[in-house]
Amino acid sequence: GQNIDQPTEMTATEGAIVQINCTYQTSGFNGLFWYQQHAGEAPTFLSYNVLDGLEEKGRFSSFLSRSKGYSYLLLKELQMKDSASYLCAVKGYQKVTFGTGTKLQVIP
Amino acid sequence: DVKVTQSSRYLVKRTGEKVFLECVQDMDHENMFWYRQDPGLGLRLIYFSYDVKMKEKGDIPEGYSVSREKKERFSLILESASTNQTSMYLCASSPRQGATNEKLFFGSGTQLSVL
Repeated sequence: GQNIDQPTEMTATEGAIVQINCTYQTSGFNGLFWYQQHAGEAPTFLSYNVLDGLEEKGRFSSFLSRSKGYSYLLLKELQMKDSASYLCAVKGYQKVTFGTGTKLQVIP
Repeated sequence: DVKVTQSSRYLVKRTGEKVFLECVQDMDHENMFWYRQDPGLGLRLIYFSYDVKMKEKGDIPEGYSVSREKKERFSLILESASTNQTSMYLCASSPRQGATNEKLFFGSGTQLSVL
C-alpha cells in the first residue's frame, strides 16, 4: 500500500519562499504529483516528477528523491493567491494515492 | 480544452436511497477514478477503471459500486446511501500509463449530503 505524509498547515509571508515537504512509503512507484486546490474547487495540476532531481516551472519547483521517499514543493515570491491546499500524490502501478494535503496561508 | 464533467454540483438524498453520480470526459482517456474528499482525510480512492468494463477497488470501496460501459463515462453508485457517505465526490481521468501527459484531470466535484 501507500503511506504519504505532509504537514497539515503552514503559514508564510507574501513575497517569501516556502517549502512543503512530502514523504512516502510505497509498494510501487511510478511518479509523484503535486496539485493545488483552492477552497471549494477541484485540484489543479502543478508538477509531476518521475526521476530524481529538481523540476522548475516559473515560481514553482518540485524535487524528488526516490531513494529517500521524499519530495518537496518550493514556492517562490509568494502571492496572496497562493493560499490554498497543496496535495502530494504518488502514482503506483495504476492508481494514484493522495496525501491529506497541506493548507498554506499566505499573510501580508 | 480538456474537460471532465460531473452531472451535479450539489445533491441531497435520503438514507437508503440509491444514488448515481455520473462523470463524463471528452479526452479519450483510458483511466478514470472516483475519489471522496473529507476534511482532515484528504482524497481517498474509491474505485478506478483502466478500460471499458474494467474496474478495480481503491482504498475505500465498501458501500459503493461503479460502472464503465463506455470509455467516456464512469458512474459511481451508492446502492443504499448512508449518512457517513456525505462527502465531496471528485471524478478524475488520465491517459494510459506511459503517455506523455499522465496527469489526472479533475471534475468540479459533487457535494453529496445524505440526510
